[in-house]
Amino acid sequence: GIQVEQSPPDLILQEGANSTLRCNFSDSVNNLQWFHQNPWGQLINLFYIPSGTKQNGRLSATTVATERYSLLYISSSQTTDSGVYFCAVNRAGNMLTFGGGTRLMVKP
Amino acid sequence: SQTIHQWPATLVQPVGSPLSLECTVEGTSNPNLYWYRQAAGRGLQLLFYSVGIGQISSEVPQNLSASRPQDRQFILSSKKLLLSDSGFYLCAWSPGTRLRNYGYTFGSGTRLTVV
Repeated sequence: GIQVEQSPPDLILQEGANSTLRCNFSDSVNNLQWFHQNPWGQLINLFYIPSGTKQNGRLSATTVATERYSLLYISSSQTTDSGVYFCAVNRAGNMLTFGGGTRLMVKP
Repeated sequence: SQTIHQWPATLVQPVGSPLSLECTVEGTSNPNLYWYRQAAGRGLQLLFYSVGIGQISSEVPQNLSASRPQDRQFILSSKKLLLSDSGFYLCAWSPGTRLRNYGYTFGSGTRLTVV
């Protein structure tokens, strides 16, 4: 199956700092999503981004499908950004496979 | 708009007791439905998925079973819980097409503790 690797595994930021999270995947995919898991466990869909670039407020994401990676940018981080960020991918007919996640802590 | 409901939010059950977790989707028809489990730590593991009523596929052999009695209802069950069944269970749906892929949307999860 497809392998999904996320880096870094852990990240500590001071409030207001910017960060870049990376997701590498081992094969071509039809779907790539970024999720934020909040402290209560809920998985919030941030982006559906199999290719290209999208932005939503302070968050943006870029997927370079030909090179098999995706980046999630967080600008001007806030304490509410804390949690675990997951990248997940799948190919046609296959199920969503998750990376190991990046645990982000934003300190006030 | 589409919504996904999952309950209960938390559950504490003794070893050997039965389990029933329910998930329902509103605002769409013929969705693909999924059960994932997240054990301590980060990893999410796919347990079951369903592409239609009565159609269940299992990814991992275990003490659990799933059923889809109605188009937008997905149930996770166990006859006798084990300690190792403890974890965070998430239901998800995606649009019901077998030819292309669309985004997954997750429910709010059930935190199960088996004691």
